Amino acid sequence: DTGVSQDPRHKITKRGQNVTFRCDPISEHNRLYWYRQTLGQGPEFLTYFQNEAQLEKSRLLSDRFSAERPKGSFSTLEIQRTEQGDSAMYLCASSYGQGEGNEQFFGPGTRLTVL
Amino acid sequence: GEDVEQSLFLSVREGDSSVINCTYTDSSSTYLYWYKQEPGAGLQLLTYIFSNMDMKQDQRLTVLLNKKDKHLSLRIADTQTGDSAIYFCADGGANNLFFGTGTRLTVIP
Repeated sequence: DTGVSQDPRHKITKRGQNVTFRCDPISEHNRLYWYRQTLGQGPEFLTYFQNEAQLEKSRLLSDRFSAERPKGSFSTLEIQRTEQGDSAMYLCASSYGQGEGNEQFFGPGTRLTVL
Repeated sequence: GEDVEQSLFLSVREGDSSVINCTYTDSSSTYLYWYKQEPGAGLQLLTYIFSNMDMKQDQRLTVLLNKKDKHLSLRIADTQTGDSAIYFCADGGANNLFFGTGTRLTVIP
């Protein structure tokens, strides 16, 4: 298994455009998480899925953000009408959810720059 | 809400031990984690400790947990230049992680 993968690794967009990121979790993991990390800060939780169900959303996830995991495998995170404040690293993580430790394994992230 | 705090910087000489400290506020945490992040890379899980334990050792890493004081530490023995990175402690909430701001460890050759 190659771990959690994310695509693209980098995205530069103009303010007002829509962007979509993809995350492929570790194959046997049923939980998938999205976090956002800005420079000099730790990651902040955005949302998580158990299988295809989105079970929790942070207040950081404004109406312009939407996440899906339609078949319980890969997930997409879409940001509509991007703003400069959306510039950050978007991290995806997955976990088995039931084992000891519930360790979350992170992907390399998608770095978004909004001009 | 949950608050996790760490000191921002730590410098040690190669071969010495490093101790990175963390405090947290949520007393209901089940697990506490340490992650490592190298420049331009994602987060690598180093180790975790169950909240009813007070110590866990894993090769060069020792995690100490003082649940009464809500204090967590990570000790790296025989620190190497490859250990230079940002270290995050994370408090395992029910369904997500709360991260500290990270401690940047610099290892001086």
